[in-house]
Amino acid sequence: QLQLQESGPGLVKPSETLSLTCTVSGGSISSSSYYWGWIRQPPGKGLEWIGSIYYSGSTYYNPSLKSRVTISVDTSKNQFSLKLSSVTAADTAVYYCARHEWIQLKNWFDPWGQGTLVTVSS
Amino acid sequence: QSVLTQPPSVSAAPGQKVTISCSGSSSNIGNNYVSWYQQLPGTAPKLLIYDNNKRPSGIPDRFSGSKSGTSATLGITGLQTGDEADYYCGTWDSSLSVLFGGGTKLTVL
Repeated sequence: QLQLQESGPGLVKPSETLSLTCTVSGGSISSSSYYWGWIRQPPGKGLEWIGSIYYSGSTYYNPSLKSRVTISVDTSKNQFSLKLSSVTAADTAVYYCARHEWIQLKNWFDPWGQGTLVTVSS
Repeated sequence: QSVLTQPPSVSAAPGQKVTISCSGSSSNIGNNYVSWYQQLPGTAPKLLIYDNNKRPSGIPDRFSGSKSGTSATLGITGLQTGDEADYYCGTWDSSLSVLFGGGTKLTVL
């Protein structure tokens, strides 16, 4: 059974870079036809897609965050990572990683990690 | 304000049926497939429906999805108190982004 687990600091200072890692177990991150994505949810609000990466390193980012986001993959560790620069309080959210099934006009996220709360505060 | 519009809340009695709408445009729902997610309180979202109307293994047939034009609908029959959750639709948009609806809170009275 595929499982994903987010890890990283729960507190980041304003203007600094948020860094999170998602560890995939029960399957290979190098499986073809799957992307791997990051989604966030501010407290009490809805879901926002941040971006997704293919095992080869090909990436797609949310245009509204693109200038600040970098997603990378480490196939040897079965992990992928998120970096979000120049954070502000508006970046405070629960961050989820998920397998992103993406075939032409079809895409969905399944399964999801449990999520990790990142607070931006001095 | 989300590009995909969902009602903020819906409610119905146990055993009844409820539908949740997701309205978009030709830039998103009109030309792409829709997925639906259930988020129980304090938990991560879970995939309920993909490809407009397909259910992953383990999702009961009380949950159904449909799409017509630029709108999609999630239906839940035989409501149970355990169905109380937030529900989100999702799809791809021509702005080169995955979009989610604003979410709908289901209350089972």
